[in-house]
Amino acid sequence: ETGVTQTPRHLVMGMTNKKSLKCEQHLGHNAMYWYKQSAKKPLELMFVYNFKEQTENNSVPSRFSPECPNSSHLFLHLHTLQPEDSALYLCASSQGTARGSYEQYFGPGTRLTVT
Amino acid sequence: AQSVTQPDIHITVSEGASLELRCNYSYGATPYLFWYVQSPGQGLQLLLKYFSGDTLVQGIKGFEAEFKRSQSSFNLRKPSVHWSDAAEYFCAGGYGNKLVFGAGTILRVKS
Repeated sequence: ETGVTQTPRHLVMGMTNKKSLKCEQHLGHNAMYWYKQSAKKPLELMFVYNFKEQTENNSVPSRFSPECPNSSHLFLHLHTLQPEDSALYLCASSQGTARGSYEQYFGPGTRLTVT
Repeated sequence: AQSVTQPDIHITVSEGASLELRCNYSYGATPYLFWYVQSPGQGLQLLLKYFSGDTLVQGIKGFEAEFKRSQSSFNLRKPSVHWSDAAEYFCAGGYGNKLVFGAGTILRVKS
């Protein structure tokens, strides 16, 4: 595998389900990101991790719970979601978060539908 | 607050015609600037980036962009568009420790 991979690519879940999204980067980067992309809305940054430590939480509801066990893996745990959470969830990685090192590389995304 | 503006939501060009997608940024300092492309159902792919130096940067797939400080712009250009260029294009600016993305421009190519 090369670049940034995300699984699953598509997910349909009910509002009472618990599921997880997985992201893995094979680029040797130290920073990882979760973004939400909804129709007709700008890309929304959700979380930033740098060297496994969360450095940004962009006022994301607690029904989204990120986990970063190491610099190569990032998870987004989902529970009791709402229909408005249906979106494309994108993972990205970069060498770091300092100025000049945050050129980001994106995975293909997980298309989430909440029913 | 830092912002990146893409004034055009949709643009339609004929195959073989030239293309220019506009991007304006607002920052106090010179930002790092990027253009990404997204095909339907896919992630974002980096086309090109500007950090410093030569204000005309070359990217992949025949794209180029020019940084103009006086106009706070970083417009994306391509001399001859191919049908496969139809996609959504995002301009982004790096400030502090994160990227700020524009709302995107959807490019349609007509044959």
